[in-house]
This record gives sequence, C-alpha cells and structure tokens, in this order.
Amino acid sequence: AQSVTQLGSHVSVSEGALVLLRCNYSSSVPPYLFWYVQYPNQGLQLLLKYTTGATLVKGINGFEAEFKKSETSFHLTKPSAHMSDAAEYFCAVSVGGTASKLTFGTGTRLQVTL
Amino acid sequence: GAVVSQHPSWVICKSGTSVKIECRSLDFQATTMFWYRQFPKQSLMLMATSNEGSKATYEQGVEKDKFLINHASLTLSTLTVTSAHPEDSSFYICSAAGRGSSYNEQFFGPGTRLTVL
Repeated sequence: AQSVTQLGSHVSVSEGALVLLRCNYSSSVPPYLFWYVQYPNQGLQLLLKYTTGATLVKGINGFEAEFKKSETSFHLTKPSAHMSDAAEYFCAVSVGGTASKLTFGTGTRLQVTL
Repeated sequence: GAVVSQHPSWVICKSGTSVKIECRSLDFQATTMFWYRQFPKQSLMLMATSNEGSKATYEQGVEKDKFLINHASLTLSTLTVTSAHPEDSSFYICSAAGRGSSYNEQFFGPGTRLTVL
C-alpha cells in the first residue's frame, strides 16, 4: 500500500520568503504524485502533478515540485510567498493512474506573515 | 475546465434522520466518482469509489449500509447518510474523473458540511 508523510503540520513564512513544504511518499510501484491546496470551507484545487518524464514539475500560482526517486520525496516550493498563499496544502499519491484513488498526507497549513 | 458541484453546501439535521448529498460533473462525463470525508483540521479519507452503473467499492471500515452511494448517471452521484448521528458530522467532498486525457484526473467539488444535532 502507498502512503504519504508531510513533515510539519504548520509552516509560517514571511511575505516574499521562500516556501518549502515537505512531502515523502512510500510506494511499491511508480507513483503518481500530486499537490493540492484547500482554502477554508472549500474543496481541493490541483496545484501540480507528477506522472512520468521531467522530474521538475511547474504548477499554478508559481509553485513547483521536484520528484526525487532516490529520496522518495516530492517537496513543494515557491520562491516568494504571497499573502494569498495562506491555506492548507495536501500531498497525495496514487498508483493506478491520475484518475485512481488518492492517498493523502495529513496536510500542512501555510501561514504568511507581513 | 472541468467543474464539479455539490449540493447542498451545508446541511444541519436532527439525529436519526437521513441526509442526501449530490455530486455533479457539470461539463464532462464522470465515469468514476470518489467520496471523501474530512474531519476538522485533518486530512481527507477516502470513503468509497463509484463507477457509473455499478456498485460502489467501500474502503475498509466504512459502513456501506450507513453511507449509501449511488452513481446512476455519468453526471451524478449521491451519498446518503442514513440514520445520521452527531459523530457523522463532517465535511464531505466528492471528486470526479472522466474519459479522455483532459479529464483523466480527479476534479473536486466544493464540499458539503454536515452537522448532526
């Protein structure tokens, strides 16, 4: 079975600072990896996904993530945080394809301060 | 883009009553729909997967007689919480995936907050 670990349930950064949200996965087969963002009382919005090919994936709102097989990691980064980035971020994995069931990490709440 | 709606967005009911939540794909045919449950400040837990025209597949520990899922058409799935109790209070989120490369991923609905008194 696959699993996801997100280190740090709460991350606080200053506006303009680098954002780094950590995600490690476990899977016995090549995984499909995702990052989602959730604003209060809303559903999930896909930020980016890794399927195959290029290991550096660029997503919406300036976010990107790099798939590192040797480290079983898929950390999410953004060079410069904006106040509007404050939200809950979830890393997820699936093994059956991009439309297969997802296993989510526990989430990381990003706080952006002035 | 692919849009998934849920109705109602929030519902309050008395203990012992049943509540139905609808999940619709508005601009694509959803061959597969997923139902998730999210407790406050926690992650999403998959409850069940439903494919159009067939019975839902429930995750371990989810009572299929309590959480009835119907996926009768390619645009609609429903989750009925039967004989709801306060411990069923939660945020329920559906997602849908369809045919073709443009829809070969999960698109999430906005969620339904259920409060059982």
